Amino acid sequence: AQSVTQPDIHITVSEGASLELRCNYSYGATPYLFWYVQSPGQGLQLLLKYFSGDTLVQGIKGFEAEFKRSQSSFNLRKPSVHWSDAAEYFCAVAPNRDDKIIFGKGTRLHILP
Amino acid sequence: ETGVTQSPTHLIKTRGQQVTLRCSSQSGHNTVSWYQQALGQGPQFIFQYYREEENGRGNFPPRFSGLQFPNYSSELNVNALELDDSALYLCASSNGLALDTQYFGPGTRLTVL
Repeated sequence: AQSVTQPDIHITVSEGASLELRCNYSYGATPYLFWYVQSPGQGLQLLLKYFSGDTLVQGIKGFEAEFKRSQSSFNLRKPSVHWSDAAEYFCAVAPNRDDKIIFGKGTRLHILP
Repeated sequence: ETGVTQSPTHLIKTRGQQVTLRCSSQSGHNTVSWYQQALGQGPQFIFQYYREEENGRGNFPPRFSGLQFPNYSSELNVNALELDDSALYLCASSNGLALDTQYFGPGTRLTVL
């Protein structure tokens, strides 16, 4: 069965520092991979997705993620965080583009001024 | 172009009651998916409706049911409410079945006492 693991429940970084949020998935083939962000009172917003091709994916708001098949990982990165990046981040996987999405439990990002 | 809207924003019910949650799709979208997000968890797929027909269901009991109307708006009905049904209920609309075109609404917070 597919699963998604986000090992860090909470992460705190200083404003301007770099960020990496970890995501590992369990699936036999190369799945479709997503990162979503959820701010308080807001719905989920898609940051980026990986289906195939270049393993370094650029997203919105200055985020990027790298697919590493050998590590079954799809980590999210940002070179310099802003206070407005404080939110909950969800990694998600689907076996194909039209199938149901399975979400991880999320990582809450806190930003220190 | 309006986004995905959900009503009500918050709802309090007692155990055993029934509840109906509503979702208006983004203009031009013909697919609606519903998710349950318990506190501290990622969203879990409940079911999806495509052109008024159910098109996939997650691991939820039959007391969770839905409808999609000709204008592609949707309802989620939950009968015989249980305490564990307390959660944020999210709907997402898309144009067709492709997951990367999903847009999420802000959710309905259901509390069951």
